[in-house]
Amino acid sequence: DAKTTQPTSMDCAEGRAANLPCNHSTISGNEYVYWYRQIHSQGPQYIIHGLKNNETNEMASLIITEDRKSSTLILPHATLRDTAVYYCIATTSGTYKYIFGTGTRLKVLA
Amino acid sequence: DTAVSQTPKYLVTQMGNDKSIKCEQNLGHDTMYWYKQDSKKFLKIMFSYNNKELIINETVPNRFSPKSPDKAHLNLHINSLELGDSAVYFCASSHITWGPNQDTDTQYFGPGTRLTVL
Repeated sequence: DAKTTQPTSMDCAEGRAANLPCNHSTISGNEYVYWYRQIHSQGPQYIIHGLKNNETNEMASLIITEDRKSSTLILPHATLRDTAVYYCIATTSGTYKYIFGTGTRLKVLA
Repeated sequence: DTAVSQTPKYLVTQMGNDKSIKCEQNLGHDTMYWYKQDSKKFLKIMFSYNNKELIINETVPNRFSPKSPDKAHLNLHINSLELGDSAVYFCASSHITWGPNQDTDTQYFGPGTRLTVL
């Protein structure tokens, strides 16, 4: 699985969009990009995933660059409850494991 | 209804003891996992089971023995507990959906079991 690199921490004002970048320059053609978050010490929570196209769901949007070497998770209107550690994972379906990096600690400020 | 549940939520025990953590999922998934999150917050895969068969064992000591009695359950038994076993253990489950445009192999995690070895 490709290694991912994320900034250690970010701040975002409440109500503003939070843009969390992820670098996965060694990603292979069949590797997906998954995003999870972990609020406090709860279990990681699935947010979104994609292969090539941009994706949107009720939680977030995922923008993947054309060369697939990086992606951005967008939380359109961040709330205090979005304060968490966000993990970007590159993985192939059927690998039967995720490799978590250190993630980005997002702090939403009132 | 909780999709992936673990018991107990907290476990405090003495070094050298044997303990078990249980995991159950009601999502109808065929793959289950154990992850360990240490004090530095690194999340690492320990085991993966697919259809009750061990698929991945990430160089975990033999003191750890997972058991999957059926596809909905994956238990973790730990013998001769050591101080370094103190961590939060997460269970997860998934089911691969192969699609024409996009596959889905999303893992859903339980709430975790915080193990403290004294």
